[in-house]
Amino acid sequence: DAGVIQSPRHEVTEMGQEVTLRCKPISGHNSLFWYRQTMMRGLELLIYFNNNVPIDDSGMPEDRFSAKMPNASFSTLKIQPSEPRDSAVYFCASSWDYREQFFGPGTRLTVL
Amino acid sequence: DQQVKQNSPSLSVQEGRISILNCDYTNSMFDYFLWYKKYPAEGPTFLISISSIKDKNEDGRFTVFLNKSAKHLSLHIVPSQPGDSAVYFCAASAPSGTYKYIFGTGTRLKVLA
Repeated sequence: DAGVIQSPRHEVTEMGQEVTLRCKPISGHNSLFWYRQTMMRGLELLIYFNNNVPIDDSGMPEDRFSAKMPNASFSTLKIQPSEPRDSAVYFCASSWDYREQFFGPGTRLTVL
Repeated sequence: DQQVKQNSPSLSVQEGRISILNCDYTNSMFDYFLWYKKYPAEGPTFLISISSIKDKNEDGRFTVFLNKSAKHLSLHIVPSQPGDSAVYFCAASAPSGTYKYIFGTGTRLKVLA
């Protein structure tokens, strides 16, 4: 299995631009998680889906952030408009039994 | 408010010695704990876990200890190897059915050859 796939691996954009991060979970997994990693706060859970349905989005920082999971093999995290404080590494993870989450390699986002 | 705390941002250990990484939590409802290891430019990978019904779990060189009364867990690596140099995150989940993990801020371990 290829594992969790994220794209792009690196994204540099200017403040105010829309950013879309993509994730393909491991085939057969039914839960998908989006995390953000920063030095100050470590790994923060932004939102997670179960069977393509958003279950908990309490970690989404503000309305500029949105996430979708149109099918079992694809999810997006969108930031519109982006701000410099959104610069971080964003991880997607998936799981089946909820106990062990498998992480993708992450997308390093830089907002200038 | 950090529910899972790793108070040591970094740790250096000589090769062959024991590495002890610590983690404290505040929510007594947490019932499952995990350690993840992260290398630069990679995603975290699962290392070892422990249920709250146990106080120890061992997997090769890695042992996790849980002290529920102190709300404290630790990861022991014996013997430490240079390849163990990474950032280690502890995480906790609650039995609420949400299966959310709450992660700590991580401890960077450097094993010196």
